[in-house]
Amino acid sequence: DQQVKQNSPSLSVQEGRISILNCDYTNSMFDYFLWYKKYPAEGPTFLISISSIKDKNEDGRFTVFLNKSAKHLSLHIVPSQPGDSAVYFCAAIRGAQKLVFGQGTRLTINP
Amino acid sequence: GAGVSQSPSNKVTEKGKDVELRCDPISGHTALYWYRQSLGQGLEFLIYFQGNSAPDKSGLPSDRFSAERTGGSVSTLTIQRTQQEDSAVYLCASSFRQGVYEQYFGPGTRLTVT
Repeated sequence: DQQVKQNSPSLSVQEGRISILNCDYTNSMFDYFLWYKKYPAEGPTFLISISSIKDKNEDGRFTVFLNKSAKHLSLHIVPSQPGDSAVYFCAAIRGAQKLVFGQGTRLTINP
Repeated sequence: GAGVSQSPSNKVTEKGKDVELRCDPISGHTALYWYRQSLGQGLEFLIYFQGNSAPDKSGLPSDRFSAERTGGSVSTLTIQRTQQEDSAVYLCASSFRQGVYEQYFGPGTRLTVT
């Protein structure tokens, strides 16, 4: 039962343009969502998060949008930079339970 | 300060052998998690330690897997009688306390079972 899904395994974006990574979830009881970024041979690093009571959270070039009715969240990166090339994981949590991760989307920023 | 460290970084073992993977969490972090990432897959939760509470073992795939956390700090994940399907990157993460959602990950241990 895949409660958190990232349906695009890969995404290619031109440098300077906007990158949009998508994530869908099935459990309406999730109350917090996070995005992690992972470079090869490194562990994931926390990027940005959003509480279920909000619909947007912005941190510099990164913005996360949450649409609870659609059970969908997205990560916007603008402008995209070469260093943003990585695998991005969406994760969700309910209360004090464990994080549930999506399968990841590999983002490639082309010069 | 130092981040989460894991050892070894790579481990190749023969099918049927036992392996031990080690995790040193960030000092002061009371919560510790083990995940694994198989090729092309997301992060699969294995086990969670919080302070002195009984661990949440709900993600362990079989009784060949076990983990312990000594003194509330270092943790060891043990896989007995390894199988080829155990090949994956095993990731450890820690967080300051229960209810703090941001987890800090180590670099992982790549386990290859031949």
